[in-house]
Amino acid sequence: EVQLVQSGAEVKKPGESLKISCKGFGYSFSTEWIGWVRQMPGKGLEWMGIIYPGDSDTRYSPSFQGQVTISADKSTSTAYLQWSSLKASDTAMFYCVRLKDYSNSGGYFDYWGQGTLVTVSS
Amino acid sequence: QAVLTQPSSLSASPGASASLTCTLRSGINVGSYRIYWYQQKPGSPPQYLLRYKSDSDKQQGSGVPSRFSGSKDASANAGILLISGLQSEDEADYYCMIWHSGAWVFGGGTKLTVL
Repeated sequence: EVQLVQSGAEVKKPGESLKISCKGFGYSFSTEWIGWVRQMPGKGLEWMGIIYPGDSDTRYSPSFQGQVTISADKSTSTAYLQWSSLKASDTAMFYCVRLKDYSNSGGYFDYWGQGTLVTVSS
Repeated sequence: QAVLTQPSSLSASPGASASLTCTLRSGINVGSYRIYWYQQKPGSPPQYLLRYKSDSDKQQGSGVPSRFSGSKDASANAGILLISGLQSEDEADYYCMIWHSGAWVFGGGTKLTVL
């Protein structure tokens, strides 16, 4: 059974750094793209970026390029999302997602992690 | 103007059908796109429902009941998620998504109330 298990909720102060994780189970982690989706409180879904754990090829949404860093460790089947300096506006739920059928026509997110709530407040 | 526009809310009665629309921005032709639909219940991550591009290019998500189906209204430049035989458990937020200009784009979501 495919599962994406994310790290727990975080409460941080503005300016602090953070790295959250997502561990994949039940499939070949190295050979499937994995991504991140943001959901701000009471709002909709926003795609942030994807990574191919096999070679760490990474693609970012223009909206998030330079704002976050996506990485992966195929030896532990874990993907990461990190910030170097958090802002209050980074407060949101973050979901890791597995990308299926990535091609010229895109693909879709077939499995979602349970979400990691990040709260940034002074 | 947003790439994908969804009505913010929709109400329907148990047993009835609900048609949720996802309108593409002018200049983006719905016929060229696979439209993906997700369901999100409070406190849970979204779940993949289905994909629809045409009757020959469609996919039902694993375990998703057949009363969830997709279609398009070319005249309205919109994708449609049709839910028939509404049940109370269908009350949720529904999001459409497309792959556009090298990025995945979501609609703003429709809150479906079953009452």
